[in-house]
Amino acid sequence: DAGVTQSPTHLIKTRGQQVTLRCSPKSGHDTVSWYQQALGQGPQFIFQYYEEEERQRGNFPDRFSGHQFPNYSSELNVNALLLGDSALYLCASSETGLGLTHEKLFFGSGTQLSVL
Amino acid sequence: RKEVEQDPGPFNVPEGATVAFNCTYSNSASQSFFWYRQDCRKEPKLLMSVYSSGNEDGRFTAQLNRASQYISLLIRDSKLSDSATYLCVGLTGRRALTFGSGTRLQVQP
Repeated sequence: DAGVTQSPTHLIKTRGQQVTLRCSPKSGHDTVSWYQQALGQGPQFIFQYYEEEERQRGNFPDRFSGHQFPNYSSELNVNALLLGDSALYLCASSETGLGLTHEKLFFGSGTQLSVL
Repeated sequence: RKEVEQDPGPFNVPEGATVAFNCTYSNSASQSFFWYRQDCRKEPKLLMSVYSSGNEDGRFTAQLNRASQYISLLIRDSKLSDSATYLCVGLTGRRALTFGSGTRLQVQP
């Protein structure tokens, strides 16, 4: 049983470009959350998707958008990239109701994005 | 002020030592707390949940003090393999995890 898979593992972009990161949740999980982790910091919550809708959003600008597909996989899109967007982007999947099933929260190994 | 604050360390301790980390939180509405472990640039992994009554798992003990709004993690008999960054995490009704910046532990031979 594959866990949470993310692609690509590494990505280099230049300022102003757009990027799409992908995540496949663990089998049986229907909720996907995205986190941004800058160097030396803890992960910061970007947003969460459930039933193909954004259910919760953190303090990130509209340049960050996402999508969830019927098979529960998800994409994170970032437009007009800034140098400060360089970070490790983590996807986490869980079953419905994070508060009750936290122990079933799984993180992918992340996508390292470098913006030059 | 950050919602979850931790001493970044690093904590450099010899093998076999006991080390304790503290973490404070500002959102009294936070419902649950956890300690995650993260190895260098890898994904965070759940170490243990934190309960007011205390939670022990082998060499690891976690404690929550709601009155003072702090969480602790105690590691006894440190191993080289314990070297990592330990992230203090809170969960609120927003269904999102709030991570601290992490405390780096380096266990030395």
